[in-house]
Amino acid sequence: EPEVTQTPSHQVTQMGQEVILRCVPISNHLYFYWYRQILGQKVEFLVSFYNNEISEKSEIFDDQFSVERPDGSNFTLKIRSTKLEDSAMYFCASSATVPGELFFGEGSRLTVL
Amino acid sequence: AQRVTQPEKLLSVFKGAPVELKCNYSYSGSPELFWYVQYSRQRLQLLLRHISRESIKGFTADLNKGETSFHLKKPFAQEEDSAMYYCALSGHKGYSTLTFGKGTMLLVSP
Repeated sequence: EPEVTQTPSHQVTQMGQEVILRCVPISNHLYFYWYRQILGQKVEFLVSFYNNEISEKSEIFDDQFSVERPDGSNFTLKIRSTKLEDSAMYFCASSATVPGELFFGEGSRLTVL
Repeated sequence: AQRVTQPEKLLSVFKGAPVELKCNYSYSGSPELFWYVQYSRQRLQLLLRHISRESIKGFTADLNKGETSFHLKKPFAQEEDSAMYYCALSGHKGYSTLTFGKGTMLLVSP
């Protein structure tokens, strides 16, 4: 069964460093998403992406964040200058239709020291 | 603004007991409601959505617009039901952006 895959599973970085989280969505899906979950808190929407552009973003998704689909298979989330409060589990998801079922990856845990 | 409230962080029941995980929402239009589940060491996955009106793994959920609720129910809990359950709302017509509740951990003891 096709799955959304995410790398790395865990990344530790120093405050102020750039981080790129990678996702490979399910191959025939057209809609892509990033969510995050700070430890002990709810899963929060960051951004949705369709047709090579951002379709919606939350207040969390400020200028420090960017997304890209560089090669037709990967979908990346970049944090330019990480802050302590960026420490969280970041989930990638994709869907074939909208509205439709979101298929989530296993998450990338980011720890900012 | 849209909001999803799951009042219980933890629900602990014995095997065979009925289960109800509560979910209330706030949204001015006609929302789509979902239940997602995360079993231990597994990814978030869709359990059911209100528009499909189906029962998955014995779970059902009815959208009550008057009470703005979408409680998840199962008449006889099983140990394998132990997991984190998230209620989610999509209020957008164009996209599947979800607003999640904080989640309820269901523990089913033998």
